[in-house]
Amino acid sequence: AQSVAQPEDQVNVAEGNPLTVKCTYSVSGNPYLFWYVQYPNRGLQFLLKYITGDNLVKGSYGFEAEFNKSQTSFHLKKPSALVSDSALYFCAVIKAAGNKLTFGGGTRVLVKP
Amino acid sequence: GAVVSQHPSWVICKSGTSVKIECRSLDFQATTMFWYRQFPKQSLMLMATSNEGSKATYEQGVEKDKFLINHASLTLSTLTVTSAHPEDSSFYICSATPRGQGFVGGYTFGSGTRLTVV
Repeated sequence: AQSVAQPEDQVNVAEGNPLTVKCTYSVSGNPYLFWYVQYPNRGLQFLLKYITGDNLVKGSYGFEAEFNKSQTSFHLKKPSALVSDSALYFCAVIKAAGNKLTFGGGTRVLVKP
Repeated sequence: GAVVSQHPSWVICKSGTSVKIECRSLDFQATTMFWYRQFPKQSLMLMATSNEGSKATYEQGVEKDKFLINHASLTLSTLTVTSAHPEDSSFYICSATPRGQGFVGGYTFGSGTRLTVV
């Protein structure tokens, strides 16, 4: 079985401050990890993924995430948040040899001016 | 990049009628597409895996006779909600990945369909 946990339902941050959205996973074997962002009444937009290689992954719109195998985490980060980053963020995992994404519950990010 | 088009964006239908939602991969072929359902303020729940030229694989608890999936070509999958009822009201999202790339290529999502059954 595979699962993803996003422990925070909502994260509030002031514009210009660092943004972190937490994600931990549970999967047998090697995990493949993804972050997506969703704006109201829209589908999901891909931000970044970890398949193999460097633990620090850089993605779209200035986001990055660090794969930490010992802590089974894949936290999403942005050094300086923008108001336009306010959205719903999903972490997802897929196990090796699988093809089904399992999503976390989502974290709503609110960036205040 | 890969683009997935989903249509319609929103639909309102009467209870007891059927609604068809289309998911098209515009610039790539997809042997596999996925259909999700999302309740308000909740995560995405995988409903089924749509396989080109064969029957869809449904997740546990999803009624295959109610949610009919057809994947007749490498660029089109359809989800038909049959005999819709108010409890079927939800946000439905499809996703696909380019043929042969699997998850490594990343999954592209459609923009979603808001279904309201009255």
